[in-house]
Amino acid sequence: GQQLNQSPQSMFIQEGEDVSMNCTSSSIFNTWLWYKQDPGEGPVLLIALYKAGELTSNGRLTAQFGITRKDSFLNISASIPSDVGIYFCACYNQGGKLIFGQGTELSVKP
Amino acid sequence: GAGVSQSPSNKVTEKGKDVELRCDPISGHTALYWYRQSLGQGLEFLIYFQGNSAPDKSGLPSDRFSAERTGGSVSTLTIQRTQQEDSAVYLCASSHREGVNEQFFGPGTRLTVL
Repeated sequence: GQQLNQSPQSMFIQEGEDVSMNCTSSSIFNTWLWYKQDPGEGPVLLIALYKAGELTSNGRLTAQFGITRKDSFLNISASIPSDVGIYFCACYNQGGKLIFGQGTELSVKP
Repeated sequence: GAGVSQSPSNKVTEKGKDVELRCDPISGHTALYWYRQSLGQGLEFLIYFQGNSAPDKSGLPSDRFSAERTGGSVSTLTIQRTQQEDSAVYLCASSHREGVNEQFFGPGTRLTVL
């Protein structure tokens, strides 16, 4: 079936450092989404990408939809403690349902 | 306005018991989704409701799992004869309709089966 492979699984960084995570798949997708999940909460949409090659920013977050439509990355610049959480990539599968990567757990040391 | 709410926030039950999890979607959202999130994993689609159409149950892992949506609003996910492997966070989301419309998630119900 269609799967999203997300890496790294976890990251431990110092406050102020930049962060990069990515998702890859053997399947082609038309939409890439990036969510953040705070502890004890549901995921919240950060960035949505709808076009191959698209580069979109939202504050300190930047995400790109890979030109092959099989991958995407999310960068966070100048991390702060409130960036802590689990980040998920997600795409719509052939049945129109959201499928998620395994998540990247981010820890930020002040 | 109010977001998606779920209850209870935590549920501990014994193996073999039935449990009911509730979801109140955002008012006016016609699409409602249930997901399961096991420890350290991404979200796994379970079931989807859209308006008055028959639900898409393609993600339900076994016939012990069922869900209802009454009056096109509140939904209940029922797990019968719970097993330890059912332990997970169960998340509900709603959106204006299926497809690329943003899904808004509730805080989830953490289910622990002893």
